Amino acid sequence: AQTVTQSQPEMSVQEAETVTLSCTYDTSESDYYLFWYKQPPSRQMILVIRQEAYKQQNATENRFSVNFQKAAKSFSLKISDSQLGDAAMYFCAYRSVWTGGFKTIFGAGTRLFVKA
Amino acid sequence: GAVVSQHPSWVICKSGTSVKIECRSLDFQATTMFWYRQFPKQSLMLMATSNEGSKATYEQGVEKDKFLINHASLTLSTLTVTSAHPEDSSFYICSASSTGNWNTEAFFGQGTRLTVV
Repeated sequence: AQTVTQSQPEMSVQEAETVTLSCTYDTSESDYYLFWYKQPPSRQMILVIRQEAYKQQNATENRFSVNFQKAAKSFSLKISDSQLGDAAMYFCAYRSVWTGGFKTIFGAGTRLFVKA
Repeated sequence: GAVVSQHPSWVICKSGTSVKIECRSLDFQATTMFWYRQFPKQSLMLMATSNEGSKATYEQGVEKDKFLINHASLTLSTLTVTSAHPEDSSFYICSASSTGNWNTEAFFGQGTRLTVV
C-alpha cells in the first residue's frame, strides 16, 4: 500500500520570503500523480500543484514549485514570495494511475504560518 | 468547471438518528466518488470509494453498515451515517473523479460538519 509522510507538523515563514514543505512517499508503482493541496480555515480543499510521475520536469504554478525526486520518492513544495493568504494547512497527496480505483492518499499535513 | 457540491454544509443530529450527506458533481459526470473523514487538526482519512452502479469499496476499519454509501447516478453519491453517536461527529468530505478522464485530480466538495448530540 502507498503511504505519504509529511514530517513537518508546522512551519513558519516571514512574509515575502521562501519556504519549503517536505513530503516523502512510498510506492511500488512506476506511474502515479502527486499533489499539494491547501486547506484554509474554510476547510475547502484547494489544489495547489500537480506532478505526473512520468514527467521529469518539476511542476510550477506561479509562486509555487515542486522538487520532485522520483528515485528518492521525495516531493517538496516551495512557496516563493510568501503572502499572508498562504497561511493554511498543506497536504501532500498521492494518487495511483492504474490501481486502487484512483483514490487519493494524503499525508498528515503541515500547518504553515506566515508572519507579517 | 469541475464543481463538486456537498450538502448540507453542517448538520446537528440527535444520538441514534441517521443523517444523509449528498455529494453532487455539478458540471461533469463522476464514475467514482470518494468519501473522507477528517478529525480536527488531522489529515483526510479515506473511508470508501464509491462507483456508480456498484457497491462501494470500504477501507479497512470502516464499518460499512454504519456508513452506507449509495452512488445511484453519475452525478450523485450519498453517505448515510446510521444510528449516529457522538463519536461519529466529524468533518466529512467527498471528492469526485471525472468520467473517462482518469488522469486528472479529484475535485472536492466543501465538506459537511456533523455534530451528534
